[in-house]
Amino acid sequence: ETGVTQSPTHLIKTRGQQVTLRCSSQSGHNTVSWYQQALGQGPQFIFQYYREEENGRGNFPPRFSGLQFPNYSSELNVNALELDDSALYLCASSNPGKGGADTQYFGPGTRLTVL
Amino acid sequence: AQSVSQHNHHVILSEAASLELGCNYSYGGTVNLFWYVQYPGQHLQLLLKYFSGDPLVKGIKGFEAEFIKSKFSFNLRKPSVQWSDTAEYFCAVNPPNQGGKLIFGQGTELSVKP
Repeated sequence: ETGVTQSPTHLIKTRGQQVTLRCSSQSGHNTVSWYQQALGQGPQFIFQYYREEENGRGNFPPRFSGLQFPNYSSELNVNALELDDSALYLCASSNPGKGGADTQYFGPGTRLTVL
Repeated sequence: AQSVSQHNHHVILSEAASLELGCNYSYGGTVNLFWYVQYPGQHLQLLLKYFSGDPLVKGIKGFEAEFIKSKFSFNLRKPSVQWSDTAEYFCAVNPPNQGGKLIFGQGTELSVKP
């Protein structure tokens, strides 16, 4: 167990809908990163939040957005869902300092299915 | 394009066999390197990491990895695998000047036969 929790565990949505996924970081960690893991693939970086500000973004469209709260928990929002958004969404927390790197600890993920 | 490559998609071994999983990356400069493991039904767990210092790093459960800068490689090894090592293994790189972003390889599925 890493102390990183995610909710919900599973989610089924239809194309065009919007979804919000949630992540609580490990105690003492101020940075949250989100990844998308398609079936049979490695995780792909979506974005990272450090102290409530976006601190890097991967190659994902603007309909993927996020927030980080003062308690360092985070949300991932996806608008206008597409079938290809079906994946496991992983949250990872760390405590690197801005611009730095540190070990990321992963939560169990949210399995999103888009029909 | 810059990337992380894991050479084997699926490896099948018998218990007590030795394991080596390859990982190569294409980023120049100083990188941080990781191996994560995902056991069936469980979340990604850190096996070991390399930031600097001794290029031979030891991790949990008897795993080790060697960073060879000239070859842009970070191969994972274990002298004698157990059935409980059956899992998916991911190599990940934190490229230089990209904050905490991790770039993952596509993963290697290891099946250990009892």
